[in-house]
Amino acid sequence: DVKVTQSSRYLVKRTGEKVFLECVQDMDHENMFWYRQDPGLGLRLIYFSYDVKMKEKGDIPEGYSVSREKKERFSLILESASTNQTSMYLCASSSFRGPSTDTQYFGPGTRLTVL
Amino acid sequence: GNSVTQMEGPVTLSEEAFLTINCTYTATGYPSLFWYVQYPGEGLQLLLKATKADDKGSNKGFEATYRKETTSFHLEKGSVQVSDSAVYFCALSLPSALYKLSFGAGTTVTVRA
Repeated sequence: DVKVTQSSRYLVKRTGEKVFLECVQDMDHENMFWYRQDPGLGLRLIYFSYDVKMKEKGDIPEGYSVSREKKERFSLILESASTNQTSMYLCASSSFRGPSTDTQYFGPGTRLTVL
Repeated sequence: GNSVTQMEGPVTLSEEAFLTINCTYTATGYPSLFWYVQYPGEGLQLLLKATKADDKGSNKGFEATYRKETTSFHLEKGSVQVSDSAVYFCALSLPSALYKLSFGAGTTVTVRA
């Protein structure tokens, strides 16, 4: 089974802090994604990556950056956290290889609160 | 652009009731369609999917049929259980969009004993 893990389930930070959210997948997937989930808005794509060192902006990249130095790890960075970034953050991965190229596998999520 | 619209919740049902969650989509091309489920305190899990018109996805008693003529992918279950209480998301992906997922807003379902 594909396993996607996220470094924290719950995180509380102060406004202005730099925040790192880590995601690791164990299935050698090329593609990794960061979403935020807010009530009534579903999931919105922040950034994604199709390979090491590559990154692409999603629909709501403002206030975020990402890093992918290794294939299995994709980090989301909030350079200066703000209260409107309080949300659930979900990481996902997928592969262009095999029969399920269109299926993404999700981690358990990190609930971030910015005070 | 590509988008998904699903019925608003919350939906509250009694055990053994019939569940339908409507989902319609707008897409350029022929998307793959998905239902993901999120149980309380967890991430999203793939519930079922369909990749072409008239395909039926099924899993855990849930079914959805890809209807190209009505651009719909409604989720149904004939007899729900308390353990089906969750948030359900309809989504689509397209090769032309490099398989990025576009999600609906989610529907919260609560099943009471």
